[in-house]
Amino acid sequence: NAGVTQTPKFQVLKTGQSMTLQCAQDMNHEYMSWYRQDPGMGLRLIHYSVGAGITDQGEVPNGYNVSRSTTEDFPLRLLSAAPSQTSVYFCASSYSVGTYEQYFGPGTRLTVT
Amino acid sequence: LAKTTQPISMDSYEGQEVNITCSHNNIATNDYITWYQQFPSQGPRFIIQGYKTKVTNEVASLFIPADRKSSTLSLPRVSLSDTAVYYCLVGDFYTNAGKSTFGDGTTLTVKP
Repeated sequence: NAGVTQTPKFQVLKTGQSMTLQCAQDMNHEYMSWYRQDPGMGLRLIHYSVGAGITDQGEVPNGYNVSRSTTEDFPLRLLSAAPSQTSVYFCASSYSVGTYEQYFGPGTRLTVT
Repeated sequence: LAKTTQPISMDSYEGQEVNITCSHNNIATNDYITWYQQFPSQGPRFIIQGYKTKVTNEVASLFIPADRKSSTLSLPRVSLSDTAVYYCLVGDFYTNAGKSTFGDGTTLTVKP
């Protein structure tokens, strides 16, 4: 199993540009989520999904959209990038909602200039 | 999720046992306690989860007193490779999936 994969690993955007961060898992996990981690801080939940076709907002959803058309994929879209969205983005998955044992991807380091 | 308080940083030496305590005074009846480890430039990695008393796996032990208002992650005989940030999370993931917050964690530095 590849586990949780994320692409790209690094990305530089100009203010106002849009892009999609890709996340995929091959463990048939129900639950997937996106976090952002700013320098020296913990992770904050952006959006999450408890199954295909179901998504919901986390702690910091503004400026981001998600969709979950398949169990495997959970892309995160930045609608109009802003410097405040400069961060490292982590995707995670777990077998079900009822567990905190999440498996994290390697992260995408995003810089918005 | 219950608010958690951890020390910002800790130092240790190779071969020592390290105990990291997390305070969670507002823990609810259905809440579980979970610990993650994060190395620089990597995503967090699940270490251990518990509800009460003691849980042990091949990596660590988790001690939870009867009142459950705190918990202690114990790492036996640490090595340099255990240098990382350790996060304590407390909550009922069934009802709080949308409020998963890691806090600032404890930076453990293991010295030779």
